[in-house]
Amino acid sequence: QSVLTQPPSVSGAPGQRVTISCTGSSSNIGAGYDVHWYQLLPGTAPKLLIYANRKRPAGVSDRFSGSKSGTSASLAISGLQAEDEADYYCQSYDTTLSGPWVFGGGTKLTVL
Amino acid sequence: QVQLVQSGAEVKKPGASVKVSCKASGYTFTGYYMHWVRQAPGQGLEWMGWINPNSGGTYCPQNFQDRVTMTRDTSITTAYMELSSLTSDDTALYYCARSITPDPWGWFDPWGQGSLVTVSS
Repeated sequence: QSVLTQPPSVSGAPGQRVTISCTGSSSNIGAGYDVHWYQLLPGTAPKLLIYANRKRPAGVSDRFSGSKSGTSASLAISGLQAEDEADYYCQSYDTTLSGPWVFGGGTKLTVL
Repeated sequence: QVQLVQSGAEVKKPGASVKVSCKASGYTFTGYYMHWVRQAPGQGLEWMGWINPNSGGTYCPQNFQDRVTMTRDTSITTAYMELSSLTSDDTALYYCARSITPDPWGWFDPWGQGSLVTVSS
């Protein structure tokens, strides 16, 4: 059971926009800690997509955006492309014994 | 460029130990904390702990404190993670990942390619 909750799967057609939620609690996101997002493609190293809630590293497409409010955060992907099909994970700090670093359970994005 | 290259796949028997290596290049190895993360089949990412490559100091969450040993060899800019008393539940892809800041509080970038550990009798 992950400390941060993500939907197991989301899907969308090419060109559409999808969002992936990451729900935490008062011991992590709700305490004001930043949220980061990673993309996992089979056979490749995980890739940083969004850091500090909404910032994009150099080289990451502006189709990816992040937001945070209260005890939750979201990753939005616009203009879906086939290459976006991957697993996505959120990460934050947590003040319980599970932490301090915790991840969401991951969301599988399927491009229809 | 900053790069982390991990050791290859391992097959171990229950009760044994495994040691995974992570060779760093392209930056000052002792300047950034290194984390270890694993992903069991069909499961999410699980953080296993960090090591300060400069001092050798380590930290693991409670569920790994008794079985994980993290070390480093600064002469060859390599970090190691050893997991003992293996069970089938330890079958997973193990990643090393660098903290983006010179402390354990930064996000992780880059990551290694992963090392598959299979525990089977």
